[in-house]
Amino acid sequence: EAGVTQFPSHSVIEKGQTVTLRCDPISGHDNLYWYRRVMGKEIKFLLHFVKESKQDESGMPNNRFLAERTGGTYSTLKVQPAELEDSGVYFCASSQERVQGHGYTFGSGTRLTVV
Amino acid sequence: AQTVTQSQPEMSVQEAETVTLSCTYDTSESDYYLFWYKQPPSRQMILVIRQEAYKQQNATENRFSVNFQKAAKSFSLKISDSQLGDAAMYFCAYRSNPGNQFYFGTGTSLTVIP
Repeated sequence: EAGVTQFPSHSVIEKGQTVTLRCDPISGHDNLYWYRRVMGKEIKFLLHFVKESKQDESGMPNNRFLAERTGGTYSTLKVQPAELEDSGVYFCASSQERVQGHGYTFGSGTRLTVV
Repeated sequence: AQTVTQSQPEMSVQEAETVTLSCTYDTSESDYYLFWYKQPPSRQMILVIRQEAYKQQNATENRFSVNFQKAAKSFSLKISDSQLGDAAMYFCAYRSNPGNQFYFGTGTSLTVIP
């Protein structure tokens, strides 16, 4: 089966610009997660979708971040306007409804650099 | 809140040798899962091994094994017979049971020397 796919793999934007990251989960996976790793720090949870609904968005840093998952398939994460501290690697992961202790399937991440 | 600590930002090992990556965690929960993930450069992060907290027996996957010390809240990863393909960033992670959110450490970059 195809894995979790993230686009783009790298993005360099100027402060104040807008960037949209995309994640295509494994087909049939209801759960979709976004995580972020700021350089040198731990990977931190951003939010969790179950199908098209936001189950938990407690990790979203501020209202400059907007995540959507229309139709319960792929998801986008938009940063508008981008700030320098938004730089990092954004990971997407997906899992089946009842993962029961299994790990997620992660994508390769999008490396975002804000200059 | 749960925290995961990896105190070794970088490690290196000679090919065919054994290396141990450290991980400690903090939690007040009794039931949870622990994981080691591996991310090769510019590639997908993949699951290496997982451990259920209620199991006393340490998990093993081929050349990868863990030393799970629940009382000490320690979860180290041992890689035996290291291969060049083992070079990657390794992340230790915690997840409650039940739960969906993972808590990760800061990662350990492993270099394998030919």
